Amino acid sequence: EDKVVQSPLSLVVHEGDTVTLNCSYEVTNFRSLLWYKQEKKAPTFLFMLTSSGIEKKSGRLSSILDKKELSSILNITATQTGDSAIYLCAVADSGAGSYQLTFGKGTKLSVIP
Amino acid sequence: ETGVTQTPRHLVMGMTNKKSLKCEQHLGHNAMYWYKQSAKKPLELMFVYNFKEQTENNSVPSRFSPECPNSSHLFLHLHTLQPEDSALYLCASSRGLAGSSGANVLTFGAGSRLTVL
Repeated sequence: EDKVVQSPLSLVVHEGDTVTLNCSYEVTNFRSLLWYKQEKKAPTFLFMLTSSGIEKKSGRLSSILDKKELSSILNITATQTGDSAIYLCAVADSGAGSYQLTFGKGTKLSVIP
Repeated sequence: ETGVTQTPRHLVMGMTNKKSLKCEQHLGHNAMYWYKQSAKKPLELMFVYNFKEQTENNSVPSRFSPECPNSSHLFLHLHTLQPEDSALYLCASSRGLAGSSGANVLTFGAGSRLTVL
């Protein structure tokens, strides 16, 4: 059974801090790893990492995939209160011809002024 | 606005009621999904439709009945639910099946918060 574990489950930081969120996975046939940000509404897509694209960056957010360690990190620098959200990690498994996403429980990030 | 619209946003129902959740996507996607999000649990995939055909049913109880009349609309019919079914139900869509390529990223709706009394 596929498994995705995120840590920490919750985190409180001050504005301006840098944070690192972790995601580790166990899947039969790894296809890709995705990060989403969920505020009070719909999860919104951040990054997709694959064997051919192991590092992505967008503004203050960046993510790296470590296929050897079966893990990924999401970095947020100079955090702002608007970064407060639940960050979801999901892994796509292409085993048996089925493309399913397995999600972790998420990391709840709170950024205080 | 993500292009995936879910109604109603909030629903309270008794265990004997019959209600439906609706999802509509305006993105031209071919695959649609229902996910359940409960407190302190990962998002759980319930159903997947690809080109209106159901491709996944993750052992979901029969009190949840999906319907996909076309690639733009997805329904979840609810009947004789239990209090533990209270959760946020998220609809999502993607151009092709999720995770199969860079183009096939899930776009989520804002969810329908269901409370079963």
